[in-house]
Amino acid sequence: AQSVTQPDIHITVSEGASLELRCNYSYGATPYLFWYVQSPGQGLQLLLKYFSGDTLVQGIKGFEAEFKRSQSSFNLRKPSVHWSDAAEYFCAVVGTGRRALTFGSGTRLQVQP
Amino acid sequence: EAGVAQSPRYKIIEKRQSVAFWCNPISGHATLYWYQQILGQGPKLLIQFQNNGVVDDSQLPKDRFSAERLKGVDSTLKIQPAKLEDSAVYLCASSSQNRDGTAYEQYFGPGTRLTVT
Repeated sequence: AQSVTQPDIHITVSEGASLELRCNYSYGATPYLFWYVQSPGQGLQLLLKYFSGDTLVQGIKGFEAEFKRSQSSFNLRKPSVHWSDAAEYFCAVVGTGRRALTFGSGTRLQVQP
Repeated sequence: EAGVAQSPRYKIIEKRQSVAFWCNPISGHATLYWYQQILGQGPKLLIQFQNNGVVDDSQLPKDRFSAERLKGVDSTLKIQPAKLEDSAVYLCASSSQNRDGTAYEQYFGPGTRLTVT
């Protein structure tokens, strides 16, 4: 069965600092990988996705993520965090042939002024 | 393009009462999902529809939860009777039926926050 681990429950960074959120997945083949962001009281917004090809993918709001097959990881990065980035971030995986997403437990990002 | 619509946004009920949630997916999206998100956790799939047929309901507590998608468009999720542990946000999502990777992109509604007292 596929699974996703987000080891950091809560991260605090200063505005303007760089950010990396960790995500590790378990799946027998190459999965499709996603990062979603959820602001308080809001639904989930897709930040970026990896299907195949270039392992460094660009998303919205200046985010990027790198797929590393050898480490079963798909970490999310941003070079300079803005106060509006404070939210909860979810990594998700889906295996080919199955559409439903399996989510990690999320990482709550707090941004200090 | 309009997004996924859900109603109500908030609902408070007492245990053993019943409740229903409604979802209208993005126009033309054949696949519809209901997820349950308990506070502090990631969303968990309850049921997946392809058009008006059920694809996956393996994690749906069928003794109390039911869902339907009539005519392959709108969907309703019902809980009867509700328990305290059903307090959660219920998210609806939809995706297209394209024959490429975009079929795996899910678009989420704002969710319904249910509180069972």
